[in-house]
Amino acid sequence: KNQVEQSPQSLIILEGKNCTLQCNYTVSPFSNLRWYKQDTGRGPVSLTIMTFSENTKSNGRYTATLDADTKQSSLHITASQLSDSASYICVVRRSWGKLQFGAGTQVVVTP
Amino acid sequence: IAGITQAPTSQILAAGRRMTLRCTQDMRHNAMYWYRQDLGLGLRLIHYSNTAGTTGKGEVPDGYSVSRANTDDFPLTLASAVPSQTSVYFCATGLAGGEDYNEQFFGPGTRLTVL
Repeated sequence: KNQVEQSPQSLIILEGKNCTLQCNYTVSPFSNLRWYKQDTGRGPVSLTIMTFSENTKSNGRYTATLDADTKQSSLHITASQLSDSASYICVVRRSWGKLQFGAGTQVVVTP
Repeated sequence: IAGITQAPTSQILAAGRRMTLRCTQDMRHNAMYWYRQDLGLGLRLIHYSNTAGTTGKGEVPDGYSVSRANTDDFPLTLASAVPSQTSVYFCATGLAGGEDYNEQFFGPGTRLTVL
């Protein structure tokens, strides 16, 4: 079983609407959690990183939250744009360990 | 060169053939990684190198080999390709192996099909 589970697998939203993606993890001991954006045919690019002591971090219209007690993170996209169409990948690092990748959520923003 | 380059962009390969995927960086990062990405699965680490001259096995190393003769290049070789190695391969770099906060930067990927 993957130690990083993302939901939903995919979603379609109208341009201008908001959406929230979920990431649940069992990785322990926890070091940090990153959200990556992967455009079609490209490599992933980091959006945010969150450590144990941080519970909210924003990057433009992207806001990530972290609840280290429940081992849950979310990525909220505000006022979606067509360029937000991509796969969003949750990546959790174990302390002094390698990365654990979620399978990603495919977001499609339609006009 | 800007960042990380991978070659080829895509390749169709007959089973049993040998193939080397190339990765070159100009970011002077000491750590480099090879991942494969398959539909419905997260990126999985194949091999890594914390610094030139050293390599290590990742989660799915079987059927693959790597070398790290210098800082900039990290080729991935499939000695005898099999259809299960059909995937998209990403090379990544980082500032240091093993440290917790450093971001990994990804190349554009190589799409490999083994028939």
